[in-house]
Amino acid sequence: DSGVTQTPKHLITATGQRVTLRCSPRSGDLSVYWYQQSLDQGLQFLIQYYNGEERAKGNILERFSAQQFPDLHSELNLSSLELGDSALYFCASSVAAGAILETQYFGPGTRLLVL
Amino acid sequence: GQQLNQSPQSMFIQEGEDVSMNCTSSSIFNTWLWYKQDPGEGPVLLIALYKAGELTSNGRLTAQFGITRKDSFLNISASIPSDVGIYFCAGQRLGTSGSRLTFGEGTQLTVNP
Repeated sequence: DSGVTQTPKHLITATGQRVTLRCSPRSGDLSVYWYQQSLDQGLQFLIQYYNGEERAKGNILERFSAQQFPDLHSELNLSSLELGDSALYFCASSVAAGAILETQYFGPGTRLLVL
Repeated sequence: GQQLNQSPQSMFIQEGEDVSMNCTSSSIFNTWLWYKQDPGEGPVLLIALYKAGELTSNGRLTAQFGITRKDSFLNISASIPSDVGIYFCAGQRLGTSGSRLTFGEGTQLTVNP
């Protein structure tokens, strides 16, 4: 158990819908990262938040957005869903922001299926 | 997006055999990491490497950070059935724009008892 929690574990929805994925980082970790894992693209970095502020952006679509709240949990919002958005979405957390290299610990993921 | 080149894609071995997999990149990383992912689970960190040339062990696992900082390998000795899973390499860079991980495509390991 990494100490990172994600809910829900599974999500089935229809095209055009909007969903919210939730992540609670390990106790004491200030950074949250979101990754998408799909069969054709592998594990791809989406976005990083540090202490409530966006820190880095990767291959995140404009239809997707994220935020980190004062209690440090984070939500990833996916809207206007398409079939190709079906994937595993992982959250990871680390102590700091990346100025020094620190380990990222991954949650169990949310499996999203868009029908 | 950028990916690391990880090989082999899959391996089928007998219990007790040694396994080797590697990752290469066209660009430099400050840290190399190796993760294992079981079905339906998130990646779990196995080994982290922080210095070029560094050789680190974790039980039956040994990994090295290439001297050029563009490659890394992972060896598993005396494999057992619970080694089954997907192994990912990941590179990480220092920078003011965060510390994202760039992942390899993964090596699917099957161990026959």
